[in-house]
Amino acid sequence: QVQLVQSGAEVKKPGASVKVSCKASGYTFTGHGFSWVRQAPGQGLELMGWISANNVNTIYTQKFQGRVTVTTDTSTSTAYMELRSLRSDDTAVYYCARVYWNQGRIFDIWGQGTMVTVSS
Amino acid sequence: QSALTQPASVSGSPGQSITISCTGTSSDVGGYNYVSWYQQHPGKAPKLMIYEVSNRPSGVSNRFSGSKSGNTASLTISGLQAEDEAHYYCSSYTSSGTWVFGGGTKLTVL
Repeated sequence: QVQLVQSGAEVKKPGASVKVSCKASGYTFTGHGFSWVRQAPGQGLELMGWISANNVNTIYTQKFQGRVTVTTDTSTSTAYMELRSLRSDDTAVYYCARVYWNQGRIFDIWGQGTMVTVSS
Repeated sequence: QSALTQPASVSGSPGQSITISCTGTSSDVGGYNYVSWYQQHPGKAPKLMIYEVSNRPSGVSNRFSGSKSGNTASLTISGLQAEDEAHYYCSSYTSSGTWVFGGGTKLTVL
């Protein structure tokens, strides 16, 4: 079945970087883009950025511009999100979600989430 | 891009109907029919419930419906059931080429 499986929880120190992976299966990887959404404890959903199908476009929201990089590896059907210069307020669950551009520009399949804790 | 505005909480009794509003601007909700709604149970990933304002993905109950007027979209859940208790988030595609979410609404089934 169509699914996204993310890498495991991470604990990082302030100033470090984290790279979260999202392995896709059950569909043609290059046919869809990926978005990265984070959710701080007890808070709402926040889009960080997204990469279109076939890596044609990569767009980051202003808040994360310059600090986040989203990439894909078609050879392994895996998407990645790297966040640098981590701060304590980056502690959150990070989700990848498939972008179904041609059907309402929706996030139709989500990964299970990766908890990233930033603490000294 | 500011978050879309949703009420923090709504509640209803089993069998009743509730409506959650989602207010944006002409650069997002008002400018596109790419409004979606997501349901999130505690500790779980969000689940798509409505897309393109009023369409339901396969497998989503027809008790869930969506609409839009101007810069405000709405999600209506009829025949409330205990399993509907969750957080609900609206989302809209924007003129910046990204998406914006609402702050989320906690639905309590009394």
